[in-house]
Amino acid sequence: DQQVKQNSPSLSVQEGRISILNCDYTNSMFDYFLWYKKYPAEGPTFLISISSIKDKNEDGRFTVFLNKSAKHLSLHIVPSQPGDSAVYFCAASDTNAGNMLTFGGGTRLMVKP
Amino acid sequence: NAGVMQNPRHLVRRRGQEARLRCSPMKGHSHVYWYRQLPEEGLKFMVYLQKENIIDESGMPKERFSAEFPKEGPSILRIQQVVRGDSAAYFCASSPVQVGHTEAFFGQGTRLTVV
Repeated sequence: DQQVKQNSPSLSVQEGRISILNCDYTNSMFDYFLWYKKYPAEGPTFLISISSIKDKNEDGRFTVFLNKSAKHLSLHIVPSQPGDSAVYFCAASDTNAGNMLTFGGGTRLMVKP
Repeated sequence: NAGVMQNPRHLVRRRGQEARLRCSPMKGHSHVYWYRQLPEEGLKFMVYLQKENIIDESGMPKERFSAEFPKEGPSILRIQQVVRGDSAAYFCASSPVQVGHTEAFFGQGTRLTVV
């Protein structure tokens, strides 16, 4: 029973263009959502988060959008850079039950120069 | 301010041996989480600990796996009588609060290989 899904295992984008990574969830108790970036042989690095009371959060080139009614969130990276090439994980938590994260399966982003 | 420290980075064990994975949380963080990542999969929650307490171990296998976070020293994830299926990357994360909106910070992981 996958509560958080990233349906695209990989995404290839040209440098300078927009990267859009998608994530769907099923548990309506989730109220906090995060995106992590992961390079091979390293731990996940926190990128950006959003609370369920918001529908958008922006930090530099990264913007996360949340559509609660559709149980869908997305991460936009613009402009994309070759250094953004990594695996991106969407994660969700029910913060009233502790901060355990439920992760999606990840999307491998490749940004071509 | 050092980040989350895990050691060893790589651990090779023969089937039937014990594996001990250590995690020191970030300074000021009293909540520790262990996650496991199998090849080509996302991270799966295993156990959540505070100092001297297991808060939630719903993701941890009932047998052979145990975790602790003593008053002094790092958190330890212990796997007894390892099997090939235990081969994975084990990540520890820490956060400063129990509830509320806060991100968890991850260590670099311990890659366990069972031969």
